[in-house]
Amino acid sequence: TQLLEQSPQFLSIQEGENLTVYCNSSSVFSSLQWYRQEPGEGPVLLVTVVTGGEVKKLKRLTFQFGDARKDSSLHITAAQPGDTGLYLCAPKTGGSARQLTFGSGTQLTVLP
Amino acid sequence: NAGVTQTPKFQVLKTGQSMTLQCAQDMNHNSMYWYRQDPGMGLRLIYYSASEGTTDKGEVPNGYNVSRLNKREFSLRLESAAPSQTSVYFCAIRIGSTDTQYFGPGTRLTVL
Repeated sequence: TQLLEQSPQFLSIQEGENLTVYCNSSSVFSSLQWYRQEPGEGPVLLVTVVTGGEVKKLKRLTFQFGDARKDSSLHITAAQPGDTGLYLCAPKTGGSARQLTFGSGTQLTVLP
Repeated sequence: NAGVTQTPKFQVLKTGQSMTLQCAQDMNHNSMYWYRQDPGMGLRLIYYSASEGTTDKGEVPNGYNVSRLNKREFSLRLESAAPSQTSVYFCAIRIGSTDTQYFGPGTRLTVL
């Protein structure tokens, strides 16, 4: 059973600040996805990273997949209240239905 | 185009009662999933279905049964509800070769 850790568990910052959240494991993954979940809704895909060392940018969000494909980070520049939500990482774990395993998430609150 | 719908949105049960959570998709995808989400524990897979007529256990199947009678619908049944099953339940479908999961809005279940 793989261990998937997301840190920090909670993060509260002021609007305009930068932040980084992490997703770490001892297992190697073929790919990893990041989702954002807003209160009262289901998670929504932000990005998929596949190649070790890959960096993807989505406006003010920068995603990186570790060189060894065991970890990933999400950096947000100049956070806004609209970035508030639960950020979940989900590495692909295979199986006949190509299951994902979700981390417990980082709950981000951006204060105006 | 509703995507993934779940009914009901909210439900309160007494211990020992039974109920079925309904999930339907209008996106014509094969793989469907049921998750539960509890504070600090992320999303845990209960059951999944790779195609019509097939179902498999996930990480936490005890106390649940599922049915995939057609491609559109995947239902989750609690035969004898317990307080430990108080949770938010999400249905999801898998889209395409990227393994993106598209979630429904969730059912918030409380078992007293």
